[in-house]
Amino acid sequence: GQQLNQSPQSMFIQEGEDVSMNCTSSSIFNTWLWYKQEPGEGPVLLIALYKAGELTSNGRLTAQFGITRKDSFLNISASIPSDVGIYFCAGRTGNTPLVFGKGTRLSVIA
Amino acid sequence: EADIYQTPRYLVIGTGKKITLECSQTMGHDKMYWYQQDPGMELHLIHYSYGVNSTEKGDLSSESTVSRIRTEHFPLTLESARPSHTSQYLCASSGLAGRNLAHSEQYFGPGTRLTVT
Repeated sequence: GQQLNQSPQSMFIQEGEDVSMNCTSSSIFNTWLWYKQEPGEGPVLLIALYKAGELTSNGRLTAQFGITRKDSFLNISASIPSDVGIYFCAGRTGNTPLVFGKGTRLSVIA
Repeated sequence: EADIYQTPRYLVIGTGKKITLECSQTMGHDKMYWYQQDPGMELHLIHYSYGVNSTEKGDLSSESTVSRIRTEHFPLTLESARPSHTSQYLCASSGLAGRNLAHSEQYFGPGTRLTVT
């Protein structure tokens, strides 16, 4: 089946630094979604992307839908302690269920 | 804000008991999903439904069963709980996003943390 490779698996950064993470797929997707999950909670949708090349921002977060439709990245600018959590990418082709990456675990050192 | 609800949030139960995890959404979404997730780990799709009276098994084999009798309700049942079922169970739903009917966003509930002793 389809697989998503999400990297890095974990990150330890200083408060104020920018963060970048990405996902690559072995097949083409027509939807990319980015989620953040905090301990004990369900994932929260951050950004949805539907068009190749699309660049979308949500506050300090920016995500892009890769031109090849096989990748996406998420950037967080000027990180703060509340950015801590697990970030998941997810992609979909057609009407199939989402395929999820294994997550990037972000730690922010104040 | 996603209008998807799960009860209970936490459940500790003994081996062999039958349990039902509840999930409901008020967004009118036709698609609903159940995921199993160990703390801090990846999400595994165990069941999904694309409408009333429609259910499918996901990628991860599960001993649970689901039903979809009403659009807004998608309960998950374990007939005989075992310690290996200890995990977090996440319900999600997806529907048409905003102005573009070709786009679909998926929202998650807060999860049920199940412990089987």
